[in-house]
Amino acid sequence: KNEVEQSPQNLTAQEGEFITINCSYSVGISALHWLQQHPGGGIVSLFMLSSGKKKHGRLIATINIQEKHSSLHITASHPRDSAVYICAAMKTSYDKVIFGPGTSLSVIP
Amino acid sequence: EPEVTQTPSHQVTQMGQEVILRCVPISNHLYFYWYRQILGQKVEFLVSFYNNEISEKSEIFDDQFSVERPDGSNFTLKIRSTKLEDSAMYFCASGGTRYTFGSGTRLTVV
Repeated sequence: KNEVEQSPQNLTAQEGEFITINCSYSVGISALHWLQQHPGGGIVSLFMLSSGKKKHGRLIATINIQEKHSSLHITASHPRDSAVYICAAMKTSYDKVIFGPGTSLSVIP
Repeated sequence: EPEVTQTPSHQVTQMGQEVILRCVPISNHLYFYWYRQILGQKVEFLVSFYNNEISEKSEIFDDQFSVERPDGSNFTLKIRSTKLEDSAMYFCASGGTRYTFGSGTRLTVV
């Protein structure tokens, strides 16, 4: 069983739609990352969360430690948001990161 | 904002050749990591490095792989005799006040 799961696997949205990507994990964690990977392959860190909620521009990330669940929301989606979004868990500070399988998002104009 | 820098961005090598992938972590970070992503698959952990030694390694990190911090700034991953299945994107990361990933090196073994 994968320690970090994501849903959906693939997502297509119309420009302007509100998007939610979900992540669940089965291990105790100290922090959870949300990452973005564009077709060129590089990984960009969007958020690192250990509790509550963080917001950056149109992106919002939430985490519920008791339920072992996190969500990434994108408001007013735009074609440039098209990318793979990856949830990744860290069991302890400075530990390795356990990656989820990623959610491939395509935003259509 | 400080970045983790990886070079080269793309390397093509013949099977059986040695390759060295280079990373420059963020200067005051103390924890260093290598990850690998085979095309179409999820990112996998290879090795973590702290205080000039390996702190953890995965099953993937066999005797063909080694890591080194030769000069206090670079962090390298060496693959001694590349195989076709080593073709992947390799990411370096460093941890300190925050956890930061490099942009990756795409290794193609032909």
